[in-house]
Amino acid sequence: KQEVTQIPAALSVPEGENLVLNCSFTDSAIYNLQWFRQDPGKGLTSLLLIQSSQREQTSGRLNASLDKSSGRSTLYIAASQPGDSATYLCATSHPGGMRFGAGTRLTVKP
Amino acid sequence: NAGVTQTPKFRVLKTGQSMTLLCAQDMNHEYMYWYRQDPGMGLRLIHYSVGEGTTAKGEVPDGYNVSRLKKQNFLLGLESAAPSQTSVYFCASRGTGDNSPLHFGNGTRLTVT
Repeated sequence: KQEVTQIPAALSVPEGENLVLNCSFTDSAIYNLQWFRQDPGKGLTSLLLIQSSQREQTSGRLNASLDKSSGRSTLYIAASQPGDSATYLCATSHPGGMRFGAGTRLTVKP
Repeated sequence: NAGVTQTPKFRVLKTGQSMTLLCAQDMNHEYMYWYRQDPGMGLRLIHYSVGEGTTAKGEVPDGYNVSRLKKQNFLLGLESAAPSQTSVYFCASRGTGDNSPLHFGNGTRLTVT
């Protein structure tokens, strides 16, 4: 059974910092790994999807990497802004569906 | 383009009452999912559907039933609500293809007293 872990559970940084969020998973037999953003009281918005054959994906200030052999993914956020404050979740895709981590709650202070 | 729409947004039930949560998507997606989100536990899959008229159990199906009579709608039913079903429920959909991204609704916050 796939286990997805995100550490830390919460992170607070000053505006302008570059930061890395971590995601680890136990089963490397995945179709892909997705990073999502969740704002309070809202659903999840897909940020990046990395296919199992890929090593990284980039979108604007976001860069996600995938290392299946070590069971790890990172989400890099450059030049963080207060508007980046949200909970970030990673999820791995399998034949039976997706398995989610519990998320990292990010606060970017002005 | 509305995407994935969930109704209602909030609901309070008494133990033993029943209700149905509605999910509608306008993206012609084949796959639809119901998740529940509880503090510190991430999202857990309740039931899912890979096409009209088909449903399957997920990780935590007990106490819930689903139906997919139309491709665009996926209903989640609670026949006899219990306090353990207090949660935020999310519907999601995606297209065919293993690398199609998942699209989520805004959730239904359910409290069972």
